[in-house]
Amino acid sequence: QKEVEQDPGPLSVPEGAIVSLNCTYSNSAFQYFMWYRQYSRKGPELLMYTYSSGNKEDGRFTAQVDKSSKYISLFIRDSQPSDSATYLCAMSAYSSASKIIFGSGTRLSIRP
Amino acid sequence: DTGVSQDPRHKITKRGQNVTFRCDPISEHNRLYWYRQTLGQGPEFLTYFQNEAQLEKSRLLSDRFSAERPKGSFSTLEIQRTEQGDSAMYLCASSLVGERRTDEQFFGPGTRLTVL
Repeated sequence: QKEVEQDPGPLSVPEGAIVSLNCTYSNSAFQYFMWYRQYSRKGPELLMYTYSSGNKEDGRFTAQVDKSSKYISLFIRDSQPSDSATYLCAMSAYSSASKIIFGSGTRLSIRP
Repeated sequence: DTGVSQDPRHKITKRGQNVTFRCDPISEHNRLYWYRQTLGQGPEFLTYFQNEAQLEKSRLLSDRFSAERPKGSFSTLEIQRTEQGDSAMYLCASSLVGERRTDEQFFGPGTRLTVL
């Protein structure tokens, strides 16, 4: 069993829709939770970073962490075609500057 | 700040050959990471350095893989006696820890390795 599970998709939604992306994990030591976005043939780039449980909002993006359920989510409001990419959840036990465990990624497509 | 750079961007080699990749981190970043990503999967941690010191190495990394960061700046990743299973994207990232730390690993564009 993988430490981090993520539905690979693909997920296709119309422009303007709310997108919900999710991951579950098994390692209770994880304390740092991240969402990365990866465009084709590019390296991942950090979207959101959260420590421990709770919500964090940044513009159209909201990250939620529920450590009791070992479940994290990313919500994208008013989705745009430029949001089309692969979204990777990622976690670390010690910090965002140490070993990161990634999910397998969800490929998202926003239809104009 | 030109970002993390990796060289080469693409490498095609025959099984059994040795290959070496280079990563130049963002200037002044003291941590440097190597990950491997296969098609349809997320990046998989390989190893990371703080300055010249290799702090952690994945247990999945076979003895054919070796990484160095001799002067605490650029890093090289060498794969000896390549196998077809080594075909992947090799990603490098860097970050800054300490007083002016970044809470982020900045990734390079990757080196795509194809082993025939």
